[in-house]
Amino acid sequence: DIQMTQSPSTLSATVGDRVSITCRASQTISSWLAWYQQKPGKAPKLLIYKASSLESGVPSRFSGSGSGTEFTLTISSLQPDDFATYYCQQYNSYPCSFGQGTKLEIK
Amino acid sequence: EVQLVESGGGLVKPGGSLRLSCAASGFTFSSYSMNWVRQAPGKGLEWVSSISSSDSYIYYADSLKGRFTISRDNAKNSLYLQMNSLRAEDTAVYYCARDDKLLVDYWGQGTLVTVSS
Repeated sequence: DIQMTQSPSTLSATVGDRVSITCRASQTISSWLAWYQQKPGKAPKLLIYKASSLESGVPSRFSGSGSGTEFTLTISSLQPDDFATYYCQQYNSYPCSFGQGTKLEIK
Repeated sequence: EVQLVESGGGLVKPGGSLRLSCAASGFTFSSYSMNWVRQAPGKGLEWVSSISSSDSYIYYADSLKGRFTISRDNAKNSLYLQMNSLRAEDTAVYYCARDDKLLVDYWGQGTLVTVSS
């Protein structure tokens, strides 16, 4: 099974900051990597798919990069609505697996 | 608009059973694989099970050890999860989710399952 490891687990930042979250896969997954945003009490929302493709309706301040085993989600200029928990997920093969999550907090 | 609405959650005693349902609308249900993903209180997301569009392929997380059964009824646009021999560690919000070539693109709002005596 493919293990996904995110870092950091918690990230404190301020509105306007540029932040990045890293996700590493235990084996190569090509570009079959998605990023989700989840707010308390809500279902996850798809942000990025195929490592770098922006889901329709998602603000362009969100971007994804990487391939193989190392991936990054970057938010170019944090907005108040962006404080949430972010998860990566590999969909290269079953069982689909998620990272443990990164909680983005207001500094 | 894609909508996924879960139901059937609730409080159940350890060792008990529960059947979750997910009603789908806004897309051609019979064309998509479907999934259950769960999230224990304060924890991360855990994929539980997937079923292909015509239920030819079914997958489960190893941790379930044969206690859960996923099924679907394309005529009723519905997805199900039969959960048996429930344990405290099965306590979670269970999400129904659509996937497009393994990419989970839409999620329901979730239904809470609490296993406690």
